[in-house]
Amino acid sequence: QAVVTQEPSFSVSPGGTVTLTCGLSSASVSTSHYPSWYQQTPGQAPRTLIYSTNTRSSGVPDRFSGSILGNKAALTITGAQADDESDYYCVLYMSGGISMFGGGTKLTVL
Amino acid sequence: QVTLKESGPALVKPAQTLTLTCTFSGFSLSTSEMRVSWIRQPPGKALEWLARIDWDDDKFYSTSLKARLTVSKDTSKNQVVLTMTNMDPVDTATYYCARTTSRVYFDYWGQGILVTVSS
Repeated sequence: QAVVTQEPSFSVSPGGTVTLTCGLSSASVSTSHYPSWYQQTPGQAPRTLIYSTNTRSSGVPDRFSGSILGNKAALTITGAQADDESDYYCVLYMSGGISMFGGGTKLTVL
Repeated sequence: QVTLKESGPALVKPAQTLTLTCTFSGFSLSTSEMRVSWIRQPPGKALEWLARIDWDDDKFYSTSLKARLTVSKDTSKNQVVLTMTNMDPVDTATYYCARTTSRVYFDYWGQGILVTVSS
């Protein structure tokens, strides 16, 4: 069974830029996987950031952007702020109609 | 305004069957392209997609949990029900339901319900 891979952790300086990636163990990620990204802080339900690769959800600041970089989906945060410190999850839509979450990336802003 | 809320037992015993209900408002599961998914998160661990039911009653399950899961809907009550059989302590998690769009992403989430499996 395919595994969705994410960096376990990442660190960025305030004001800096960071790119988190979302890969697939068995293939390249493409727009056909409809990559989506979610932000979660402790004790809270996830918040939708990006869907269909690069569409920002309503109310999401434009410092968050999504793309395909090489064979992975990517979430880029430009001008990181302290309150961007969260867990970030990607989801891929797989053949057979199922969805799969990545293991999540814990982002530290310091 | 779209809202979803999970309900069910906070504690189940090993080997029991868990039944969770997602009650939603602000949309109808009889509307084309509407879907509801179930997702869980063990304490301190990653989110895991479990199942989805679509407006046309199509159902999809996690490959690893398919044998234990059943999802159903009651359109008249705006409810989706998830059952998981043979519960084990490793199934201890916060269980979320989420509206799922035609582009297969989760745009609205419930608050989640913590289910503990313990004797």
